[in-house]
Amino acid sequence: DIQMTQSPSSLSASVGDRVTITCRASQNINNYLNWYQQKPGKAPNLLIYAASILQSGVPSGFSGSGSGTEFTLTISSLQPEDLATYYCQQSYTSPWTFGQGTKVEFK
Amino acid sequence: QVQLQESGPGLVRPSETLSLTCTVSGGSFSTNYWSWMRQSPGKGLEWIGHIFHSGSATYSPSLKSRVTISVDTTNNQFSLRLNSVTAADTAVYFCARWSSVNRGSAHWYFDIWGRGILVTVSS
Repeated sequence: DIQMTQSPSSLSASVGDRVTITCRASQNINNYLNWYQQKPGKAPNLLIYAASILQSGVPSGFSGSGSGTEFTLTISSLQPEDLATYYCQQSYTSPWTFGQGTKVEFK
Repeated sequence: QVQLQESGPGLVRPSETLSLTCTVSGGSFSTNYWSWMRQSPGKGLEWIGHIFHSGSATYSPSLKSRVTISVDTTNNQFSLRLNSVTAADTAVYFCARWSSVNRGSAHWYFDIWGRGILVTVSS
């Protein structure tokens, strides 16, 4: 199975801060990488697919980049509604696997 | 708008079989893959398997020996059976659609999820 490792596991930031989350794959997955946002008590919500393509309806403040084994999710200006846990997921090969999550909290 | 809803018992005895159903409403059940996933504090998000509307299923190797996913196209439902459960199978179980932006795309993702159902394995 392809292992997905996120860093950091959690972070504290202020409203308006730029936030970056990193996801590393245990092998080359080209750009077969998705990002999800999960708010407390809710199901995950697709933010980005193919490493950098914003899902319809997702605010433009979210962006993704990377290829191969290293990827980043960036929130350009953190908003109160961005309080959540973020997960990366590889879609390169089955079984589809997720990172352990990065919890974003406010200072 | 497509919506998914999980249903089933919230408590299962150890060694018995966990059975859940996902009902799809508001859109086409065909031409899509339908997935089951679970989330527990110890193991995070874990893909269990998926099934095509035709009935062809693929499972995670780690659970393959205990899992069966089936489809009922008449009622727009798909189901999960996980046998010989233990406390380690306690989790929130989600159903989700595995989809792509168009038929020719190689990029797939989980774009629609149910709200999830907590299943506890306990005597």
